[in-house]
Amino acid sequence: QSVLTQPPSVSGAPGQRVTISCTGSSSSIGAGYHVNWYQQLPGTPPKLLIYGSNSRPSGVPDRFSGSKSGTSASLAITGVQAEDEADYYCQSRDNSLSGHVVFGGGTKLTVL
Amino acid sequence: QVQLVESGGGLVKPGGSLRLSCAASGFIFSDYYMTWIRQAPGKGLEWVSYITSSGDSTFYADSVKGRFIISRDNAKNSLYLQMNSLRAEDTAIYYCARRDISTGYPIDYWGQGRLVTVSS
Repeated sequence: QSVLTQPPSVSGAPGQRVTISCTGSSSSIGAGYHVNWYQQLPGTPPKLLIYGSNSRPSGVPDRFSGSKSGTSASLAITGVQAEDEADYYCQSRDNSLSGHVVFGGGTKLTVL
Repeated sequence: QVQLVESGGGLVKPGGSLRLSCAASGFIFSDYYMTWIRQAPGKGLEWVSYITSSGDSTFYADSVKGRFIISRDNAKNSLYLQMNSLRAEDTAIYYCARRDISTGYPIDYWGQGRLVTVSS
């Protein structure tokens, strides 16, 4: 069981807005730690999508955005495209665990 | 460009040992924390270990503490993971990755991964 909770799956039709939630606790996201998001296409390593809760690395399309509030964070994809079908993971820190690094369980995005 | 290339891995019996290596290039290796992350077949990501830029501090997930040892050789731009007392549940793809210093300390570059299979 992951320290950060994500829905196992979400879906949306092309062009729709899709959001993926990431719920932590007072020792993780609620403690003020930022959230990073990764996209993993089948058979490939994860790719950094959002860092610092709401910043995009260069090259990441602006249809991807992140937000954080309280003990939760969200990834939004505005105008989802077929190529966005992938697994998405949130990652943060938790000060109750040695080493502190924690991942969510992952969310499979299906583009209908 | 940043490249992380893992080597090692393969099939090992329960209780056995294995060493993974990661050759880094395209950046100043000694400036960055480095980490190992694994992914069991069909499962999610699990952080395993990380090491500070100088190598003077190391951190481990509880699931591997006391069995795995992370190390680095900054002169060789290389990261290592010595895995001892391996168990079936250690079967996974192991990724070498770089931890950036940007806000949130994201893991910004990942290797292609090496499969480690623990089975009799």
